[in-house]
Amino acid sequence: DAKTTQPPSMDCAEGRAANLPCNHSTISGNEYVYWYRQIHSQGPQYIIHGLKNNETNEMASLIITEDRKSSTLILPHATLRDTAVYYCIVIQGGGGADGLTFGKGTHLIIQP
Amino acid sequence: GAVVSQHPSWVICKSGTSVKIECRSLDFQATTMFWYRQFPKQSLMLMATSNEGSKATYEQGVEKDKFLINHASLTLSTLTVTSAHPEDSSFYICSASTQNYGYTFGSGTRLTVV
Repeated sequence: DAKTTQPPSMDCAEGRAANLPCNHSTISGNEYVYWYRQIHSQGPQYIIHGLKNNETNEMASLIITEDRKSSTLILPHATLRDTAVYYCIVIQGGGGADGLTFGKGTHLIIQP
Repeated sequence: GAVVSQHPSWVICKSGTSVKIECRSLDFQATTMFWYRQFPKQSLMLMATSNEGSKATYEQGVEKDKFLINHASLTLSTLTVTSAHPEDSSFYICSASTQNYGYTFGSGTRLTVV
């Protein structure tokens, strides 16, 4: 079973910030939080990852709570092209020999 | 960097025939690749782990004689769906573990068996 819990769907207006929550209350010390998104009929795309500090890149920001039991992915200025299913996944050591267990993710719909 | 190329992007085949899907790591060597299957409105499900130079490891419930995996080089893994049936119609996605991005995914292959 997936170790994360996400809301099944969210709406956001174009141009506004999209904040996607994820609960991972059983995360262990060496597990990273990764975010991917899947646009319809494409393979998942890497967005961002973090261990305990907040992270930012050209796509998004990742806010991880101090106890690491939850995190929020922030798309600062959502566009229609950000409509996708967003997956939050915890990965031990950042990756390796094991495949991933995907939860149901959050279907983010950007409204014009 | 860390690009995984998957081919073909879509394929239609007749029931009873076999279909091969290729997955290549373009700018890195992948000793381990992963194959997923995704049915409509569902999440990705891990099918098997492909190890270069050795036999693949299949998840419970995945028929190894039906889904043949070959990982003969550090940059190529193939999935062959043998004797395909309509219930095998699905979206197949490959992936490789990378140093900086966790896992990188191919663009997927839409298989339709008629």
